[in-house]
Amino acid sequence: KNQVEQSPQSLIILEGKNCTLQCNYTVSPFSNLRWYKQDTGRGPVSLTIMTFSENTKSNGRYTATLDADTKQSSLHITASQLSDSASYICVVSAGRGGADGLTFGKGTHLIIQP
Amino acid sequence: NAGVTQTPKFRVLKTGQSMTLLCAQDMNHEYMYWYRQDPGMGLRLIHYSVGEGTTAKGEVPDGYNVSRLKKQNFLLGLESAAPSQTSVYFCASSYSTVGGEQFFGPGTRLTVL
Repeated sequence: KNQVEQSPQSLIILEGKNCTLQCNYTVSPFSNLRWYKQDTGRGPVSLTIMTFSENTKSNGRYTATLDADTKQSSLHITASQLSDSASYICVVSAGRGGADGLTFGKGTHLIIQP
Repeated sequence: NAGVTQTPKFRVLKTGQSMTLLCAQDMNHEYMYWYRQDPGMGLRLIHYSVGEGTTAKGEVPDGYNVSRLKKQNFLLGLESAAPSQTSVYFCASSYSTVGGEQFFGPGTRLTVL
C-alpha cells in the first residue's frame, strides 16, 4: 500500500529561525512529489513540485529536496516569518495515472512564535 | 478570475437531513475532486471527475454522491447525513491527473448533529 509519512507532526520555532520538515514515502511507481502549504481555514496551495530527476528546488525562502533512492523529501524554510505558520502537506503521485494515484501525508503543523 | 469557489462555507445539519455542496471553477480544468479533511487524518479523496458527465469513486465514497453536469461545476451530495460526516470538505480542480497541481477551494465546514 502506498504511504506518505511526515515528521514532525508539529513544530514550534521562533521567528527568524530555520526549520526542516521531512517526508518519507513508499509510493510506486513514483511520478512526482509536491509540497502544499495550508493556512488555517483555507485550502492547500502548491509550493513546489519535484520530479524523479530533480534533487533540489527553491521557491523564495522554501527549498525542497528529493532523494529518490531513499524515498525521502525535505522542505527547508529559511529565516521563518509569522506568515509561515501553517500546515505543510507532502503529496506523492504514482505514475499509473488517475486521480486516485495521489497519496497525501497527514501534514506538519508549523507555528512561528514572535 | 475566482479560481475554485465553494458554497456554502459553513453548514449545520441534523442526522438524516440531506444537502448539496457546490464547487465551481473558472480555469477550464477537466479534472475535479472532492476531499474531506479530519483532524489527524489528512486529506482523503471522496469522489472525482475526469470530465463533464463522468464521475468515479475515491478512497471514502460511502454516503456521498456526486454529479458533473457542467464542466465548471462539481456537486457533492449527502442523502442522509450522519455524525461521522462531520468534517471540512475541500473541492479541487487540476489540468491533469498525474501529479498535476491541484487548486483547492476555501472549504466547507459541515457539522452533523
